[in-house]
Amino acid sequence: SQKIEQNSEALNIQEGKTATLTCNYTNYSPAYLQWYRQDPGRGPVFLLLIRENEKEKRKERLKVTFDTTLKQSLFHITASQPADSATYLCALPGNQFYFGTGTSLTVIP
Amino acid sequence: DSGVTQTPKHLITATGQRVTLRCSPRSGDLSVYWYQQSLDQGLQFLIQYYNGEERAKGNILERFSAQQFPDLHSELNLSSLELGDSALYFCASSPQRLAGHNEQFFGPGTRLTVL
Repeated sequence: SQKIEQNSEALNIQEGKTATLTCNYTNYSPAYLQWYRQDPGRGPVFLLLIRENEKEKRKERLKVTFDTTLKQSLFHITASQPADSATYLCALPGNQFYFGTGTSLTVIP
Repeated sequence: DSGVTQTPKHLITATGQRVTLRCSPRSGDLSVYWYQQSLDQGLQFLIQYYNGEERAKGNILERFSAQQFPDLHSELNLSSLELGDSALYFCASSPQRLAGHNEQFFGPGTRLTVL
């Protein structure tokens, strides 16, 4: 089994700043870790996948790090925009598939 | 549009009843996943099927069952419904057998309300 913790409190940041979201897991280190975006009432949308042997992965304004020693992944959105406002979920495979409870991000214009 | 379809979009029923939720995966995807999302629980993995066979099981109640048919569509059956079963039910699909090795494509969900 796996327990995942994400920032439980909502994150509010000013447009143009960098948002940093945290995902901590407690048990075994998975071979992969994924990040998804979810808008209210809609299904999650895949953003990035990072492998255990990759320290960092980038896609446009998104950056993910994966530290298996700390059992932590950080998700960064640079030059944030109001359209980035959503809930962000991290997910880990195991004998099943585990999602964190998500962090709600609001980017203020 | 993810390419995953789910029907119905909304379902309102009474306690004790039985309902069936339907999912059609993206063309070519062999894996189908079912998730339940309620306000206090987050997104909970229920079950995964790969090419017609059960591949992984999560915290799925015994009152719930699922199957994947030869044409790869899947159905989730919920019986003896309780108030606490009210939630959003998502289906997702992916090309491969192992969860986590590639992205999952989520459908729009079915909102179930049990009165």
